[in-house]
Amino acid sequence: EVQLVESGGGLVQPGGSLRLSCAASGFTFSSYEMNWVRQAPGKGLEWVSYISSGGSTIYYGDSVKGRFTISRDNAKNSLYLQMNSLRAEDTAVYYCARDPYGGNSPFDYWGQGTLVTVSS
Amino acid sequence: EIVMTQSPATLSVSPGERATLSCRASQSVGSNLAWYQQKPGQAPRLLIYGALTRATGIPARFSGSGSGTEFTLTISSLQSEDFAVYYCQQYNNWPPPNTFGQGTKLEIK
Repeated sequence: EVQLVESGGGLVQPGGSLRLSCAASGFTFSSYEMNWVRQAPGKGLEWVSYISSGGSTIYYGDSVKGRFTISRDNAKNSLYLQMNSLRAEDTAVYYCARDPYGGNSPFDYWGQGTLVTVSS
Repeated sequence: EIVMTQSPATLSVSPGERATLSCRASQSVGSNLAWYQQKPGQAPRLLIYGALTRATGIPARFSGSGSGTEFTLTISSLQSEDFAVYYCQQYNNWPPPNTFGQGTKLEIK
């Protein structure tokens, strides 16, 4: 069974940093591209970042470019999101999501999400 | 960036009736369109991809149609578990972003 489990969320002050993790199981993690998607409270879904299966190709949404860094450790079946210079508008549930076909494809499995709250 | 617009924002339908949700893209996305269902406190679940192909385990009462810029999700006979928020997503862009619509809340009438 495919499972994605996020962790690392919490309360952080504006300007602070946080590192999210996503532990994958039930599939060959190193063969799949992965994404982070976020959802502000009561709002819709916003794609945040993408990383290729080997980690060599990375993209970011404009709202997080220069502040967030996506990475992965295929030996540990884990995906990460390092978030720096956090702002109030980064407050959201962050989901990791699997990209089944590489690149132009929908997201077939999602984690349960981890809540990040940026507030003083 | 491709903008996805869903309508209506809220749809009130009685159980057993048909629901029709719409999604429009600001430019053509071909058939690279997915629909997701999200219930409160849960992650989105993939329902439809390729505009009309049901994902694994999705009941046949869910169907998708359309191409280019106009898409529709139809739920033929609403069950109690279908009341949720539905999002469309285009994945025609490469490189990303894969943009989502703002969602349609399907509520019990």
